[in-house]
Amino acid sequence: SQTIHQWPATLVQPVGSPLSLECTVEGTSNPNLYWYRQAAGRGLQLLFYSVGIGQISSEVPQNLSASRPQDRQFILSSKKLLLSDSGFYLCAWSRGLDEKLFFGSGTQLSVL
Amino acid sequence: DAKTTQPPSMDCAEGRAANLPCNHSTISGNEYVYWYRQIHSQGPQYIIHGLKNNETNEMASLIITEDRKSSTLILPHATLRDTAVYYCIAPPPHYNQGGKLIFGQGTELSVKP
Repeated sequence: SQTIHQWPATLVQPVGSPLSLECTVEGTSNPNLYWYRQAAGRGLQLLFYSVGIGQISSEVPQNLSASRPQDRQFILSSKKLLLSDSGFYLCAWSRGLDEKLFFGSGTQLSVL
Repeated sequence: DAKTTQPPSMDCAEGRAANLPCNHSTISGNEYVYWYRQIHSQGPQYIIHGLKNNETNEMASLIITEDRKSSTLILPHATLRDTAVYYCIAPPPHYNQGGKLIFGQGTELSVKP
């Protein structure tokens, strides 16, 4: 069966520090991968998606970047965090762009 | 993609059926209706999806009106563990805009004892 791993579960970072969140999927090959962010009390916002290694599409201009160095690995990064980067970050995968999403357990990021 | 409208919150008594409505009046003929739910501090969980016909699985039933302008998610016997935010989504097919699911505010369902 397929599983998605996302870590860490919680993270507290100072403003201006770098960020690296990692997500890996097991049990499937060539998944579509996604990064979402959820601000407190709000809906999910799609940040990035990837249909293959090295292929990244950005949905909103922002302080973050994403990379997909391996087929089942998706990384969310920032060189310098802003206060507004705080939120609940979720990684997800699907078999195809029309397929249902499977989400990780999320990372609660607090930038102070 | 079709915009969906859901009530911000609903209450339901434990053991009763929870009927969560969703309006998607601008939905096109090839857009599916998806339902997800998110329990507090967890990732969203897929529940069900459908195009035209009503659908049922082990979690819920999905009733889609004949004109496809609205749908209802039914949890037949709600339990306290069904307390969550429920999202109704109608994404465009991938050959149109990429098929990426965009989540709105959803309905916060509170199941009460």
